[in-house]
Amino acid sequence: NAGVTQTPKFQVLKTGQSMTLQCAQDMNHNSMYWYRQDPGMGLRLIYYSASEGTTDKGEVPNGYNVSRLNKREFSLRLESAAPSQTSVYFCASSERVILAKNIQYFGAGTRLSVL
Amino acid sequence: TQLLEQSPQFLSIQEGENLTVYCNSSSVFSSLQWYRQEPGEGPVLLVTVVTGGEVKKLKRLTFQFGDARKDSSLHITAAQPGDTGLYLCAGLLGGQNFVFGPGTRLSVLP
Repeated sequence: NAGVTQTPKFQVLKTGQSMTLQCAQDMNHNSMYWYRQDPGMGLRLIYYSASEGTTDKGEVPNGYNVSRLNKREFSLRLESAAPSQTSVYFCASSERVILAKNIQYFGAGTRLSVL
Repeated sequence: TQLLEQSPQFLSIQEGENLTVYCNSSSVFSSLQWYRQEPGEGPVLLVTVVTGGEVKKLKRLTFQFGDARKDSSLHITAAQPGDTGLYLCAGLLGGQNFVFGPGTRLSVLP
């Protein structure tokens, strides 16, 4: 099984450029998430989609937009990239039936540098 | 300000040694998870604990949830090079989603 697939794996942007990070899961999960990981900061939630057709802001949503295209796909868009958005981005999915025991499955990440 | 603190930040030990890493908060967790992340990969869930005082064992790994549900520890017995990685705790603090700590980076030398 592929699990959670993220594309691209690496990307270099110039300040002000836009791009979309793609994420797809094949586990028929209801919920999907976008995180960024920075040294010493752990994983911080950008946006999540509890179910198809809904999206909600996480801890650090500024500068990002998301689209839950269908049950499988959840994309993250940077409209005007800034150096502060240099990070490793992870997509995750989960069933989210019992919140306290919610198991998230993560993709391998996208390493983004904004110059 | 981090809602979850993890210590130590870095740990380098020899194969065969024992170690304990900690996850702490001033808030009460509804639930707490431990993940391991290897270089170039996403985190993988190791365990979920939900009851104060709960102890779970996974082979050489022992996870303990504090009685007051504000802290947790991960103890590894006879560490092996394959245990090398970033250990993350994540807590459900009454909100909609788990919040992650900054992690403990473990290196086990052969």
